[in-house]
Amino acid sequence: SQTIHQWPATLVQPVGSPLSLECTVEGTSNPNLYWYRQAAGRGLQLLFYSVGIGQISSEVPQNLSASRPQDRQFILSSKKLLLSDSGFYLCAWSLGTGNTIYFGEGSWLTVV
Amino acid sequence: GQQVMQIPQYQHVQEGEDFTTYCNSSTTLSNIQWYKQRPGGHPVFLIQLVKSGEVKKQKRLTFQFGEAKKNSSLHITATQTTDVGTYFCAKSTSGTYKYIFGTGTRLKVLA
Repeated sequence: SQTIHQWPATLVQPVGSPLSLECTVEGTSNPNLYWYRQAAGRGLQLLFYSVGIGQISSEVPQNLSASRPQDRQFILSSKKLLLSDSGFYLCAWSLGTGNTIYFGEGSWLTVV
Repeated sequence: GQQVMQIPQYQHVQEGEDFTTYCNSSTTLSNIQWYKQRPGGHPVFLIQLVKSGEVKKQKRLTFQFGEAKKNSSLHITATQTTDVGTYFCAKSTSGTYKYIFGTGTRLKVLA
């Protein structure tokens, strides 16, 4: 069966520090991968998605970047965090188009 | 933007009352999905609707897709405390791999 893991689960970082959130999917090949952000009590904002290794589509220009170095690995990064980067970051995967999207457990980021 | 609008944003109901959330899009949808996010958790898939006018039921939950495929609703009959959470609709843009989520409806059930 397919599983998705993301880490770390919680993170407290000072303003201006770098960020790296990692996500891996097991049990499937060539998944579509996604990073969403959810501000406290708010909706899900699509940040990046990837349909293959090295292919990244950015939805919202901002202080973040994403990379897909391997088929089932998706990384969210920042060189210098801002206070506004705080939130709940969710990695997700799907297959094909129009199918179910499966989320990881999420990573809580607090920028102080 | 590309967000799908949901109403209401919040809903507090007494346990046993019914609850409905509505999802509206300005464009025709190829399909609509519904997800539930428990407090502190991640969204979990509930159901997908594809056909115009489609109605699907899961126990106390009834999902409908509008005839014009521009709106959808989720109705919960006789809410229970386990129904607490945020309900999201989501659309996948035809021909792309993007999933755009609605603004969500946060449900609180008072015992």
